[in-house]
Amino acid sequence: DAGITQSPRHKVTETGTPVTLRCHQTENHRYMYWYRQDPGHGLRLIHYSYGVKDTDKGEVSDGYSVSRSKTEDFLLTLESATSSQTSVYFCAIRSMNTEAFFGQGTRLTVV
Amino acid sequence: TQLLEQSPQFLSIQEGENLTVYCNSSSVFSSLQWYRQEPGEGPVLLVTVVTGGEVKKLKRLTFQFGDARKDSSLHITAAQPGDTGLYLCAGPRDSGSRLTFGEGTQLTVNP
Repeated sequence: DAGITQSPRHKVTETGTPVTLRCHQTENHRYMYWYRQDPGHGLRLIHYSYGVKDTDKGEVSDGYSVSRSKTEDFLLTLESATSSQTSVYFCAIRSMNTEAFFGQGTRLTVV
Repeated sequence: TQLLEQSPQFLSIQEGENLTVYCNSSSVFSSLQWYRQEPGEGPVLLVTVVTGGEVKKLKRLTFQFGDARKDSSLHITAAQPGDTGLYLCAGPRDSGSRLTFGEGTQLTVNP
């Protein structure tokens, strides 16, 4: 295992509530990513980080924010969850030009 | 619009058949990666191709990188039920800091 864990693994929340997903790594990789996976769309990049306090937007960043205060932790926050954010969320870690290692995913349902 | 287009999106075949899936782009990539994802898990790297025209073999799987480094293919010989899964191609962007994925090919191999 690549030493990456996501929490929680499953969550059901109500529309309009804030939600935070956590990604934790023990590999000291520089890059960390949050993707969402929906049928027919593969993996779409939400936000990524290239170092502590260094983050950038991906292709589907609206409605999401991230923070990385430590190398090992990358948090994804939905400030006010909407039904369109129901998805499976994957965190990934990577060093430059190497393979990405993925967590097991968080299944989020917004009702 | 996806930067990486995969085809076909779905493929259902019988055990023993051969198949090819494609990953195409209008952009040049320094490398392309292929991942395989099983239900409830994150994607796992199969191979990275780096040189235009490169062919890599992994048992019954053959990966090819196009001469112009804009496309790649995955060929499976004598498919087995254990090959069932979602196959994703991915390529680096922004000097390698991002990793962008295609939509994936969902392969089902029936016994």
